[in-house]
Amino acid sequence: EVQLVESGGGLVQPGRSLKLSCAASGFTFSNYYMAWVRQAPKKGLEWVATISTSGSRTYYPDSVKGRFTISRDNAKSSLYLQMNSLKSEDTATYYCARHETGSWDYWGQGVMVTVSS
Amino acid sequence: DIQMTQSPPSLSASLGDKVTITCQASQNINKYIAWYQQKPGKAPRLLIRYTSTLESGTPSRFSGSGSGRDYSFSISNVESEDIASYYCLQYDNLPYTFGAGTKLELK
Repeated sequence: EVQLVESGGGLVQPGRSLKLSCAASGFTFSNYYMAWVRQAPKKGLEWVATISTSGSRTYYPDSVKGRFTISRDNAKSSLYLQMNSLKSEDTATYYCARHETGSWDYWGQGVMVTVSS
Repeated sequence: DIQMTQSPPSLSASLGDKVTITCQASQNINKYIAWYQQKPGKAPRLLIRYTSTLESGTPSRFSGSGSGRDYSFSISNVESEDIASYYCLQYDNLPYTFGAGTKLELK
């Protein structure tokens, strides 16, 4: 059974950093692109980052480019999101998701990040 | 960036009804559209990819169609378990972009 379990969320002050983790199991992690997708409270979905199977290629929307870094450790079947210079508009539930032929077929349960002073 | 205009924002249906949601892309997305269902407090669930390919486990009452810029998603014979929000996603070009969502409620 495919499982994605996020951790590392919480309350953080504006301008500070936070690192999210996603533990994957039930599939060969190293064979899949992975992504982070977020959802602000009562709002829609926003793609945040994607990483290739080896980690050599990463992709971001302009809203987080230069502040967020996606990475992975295939030996540990883990995905990460380093978030720096956090803003109030980064407040959201962050989901880890598996890429399958372009779209995302499995998602974690999500982890809440609140950016507030 | 490709804008996905999803309508309607909300929909009220009776059990057994057929409902249709549309997404219009700001440019041709070559059928690279997926549809997700999200229930409150839960992660999105992939129902349909590449316009009309049902994911394993997606009931046959769900369907998708379209081409170019215009796409639709339908539920025939709405059941109580279908009450949720639905989102389209274009994955033809980066950045991936979602529609704003449609909330399906029971009449």
